[in-house]
Amino acid sequence: GNSVTQMEGPVTLSEEAFLTINCTYTATGYPSLFWYVQYPGEGLQLLLKATKADDKGSNKGFEATYRKETTSFHLEKGSVQVSDSAVYFCALQERAGTALIFGKGTTLSVSS
Amino acid sequence: EAGVTQSPTHLIKTRGQQVTLRCSPISGHTSVYWYQQALGLGLQFLLWYDEGEERNRGNFPPRFSGRQFPNYSSELNVNALELEDSALYLCASVRRGSSGELFFGEGSRLTVL
Repeated sequence: GNSVTQMEGPVTLSEEAFLTINCTYTATGYPSLFWYVQYPGEGLQLLLKATKADDKGSNKGFEATYRKETTSFHLEKGSVQVSDSAVYFCALQERAGTALIFGKGTTLSVSS
Repeated sequence: EAGVTQSPTHLIKTRGQQVTLRCSPISGHTSVYWYQQALGLGLQFLLWYDEGEERNRGNFPPRFSGRQFPNYSSELNVNALELEDSALYLCASVRRGSSGELFFGEGSRLTVL
């Protein structure tokens, strides 16, 4: 079945450090891929998405590229801020309208 | 525009009891998804409702059930509560046919003692 694996956390960084959170997936066909973020005390919200191979999703300085050959969708940011501290979830959707399958989440903690 | 609203926000139950959680989707959204977020397990898909019909369910026992009303709001019912049902239950809505942007509520935190 379809699944998403993301790196275990927590990830602890200093402000302005480079961030990578790894995400790999298993799926039949060509799923859409997503990163969602859950800030403390808030609901999950979409951070970025990519719907086909080689697409790059980007938002708020975060980027992720849909790599079909490595079945990966790693999240990167060049310079993290304290306000980026949150839990990040990688997810896939087999086709439009179906349920998203999420990874277990990676907690990011950024200190000043 | 009001977001997805869930109630209650917190509740405590004892083993064997039953609970009903409620979700109001964003206006115009016809699909509702329920997820369980238990500690260390991430988000586990529970149920998907669209246009009043159950479209799919995750790998959960039948004591997890729900329904969607004509106004697209939804209920999640859990019978015969067990300790491991303690979790944050999240509801998300989406406009039918749209690709992937689920809008989540803040969840109902259930504690089973």
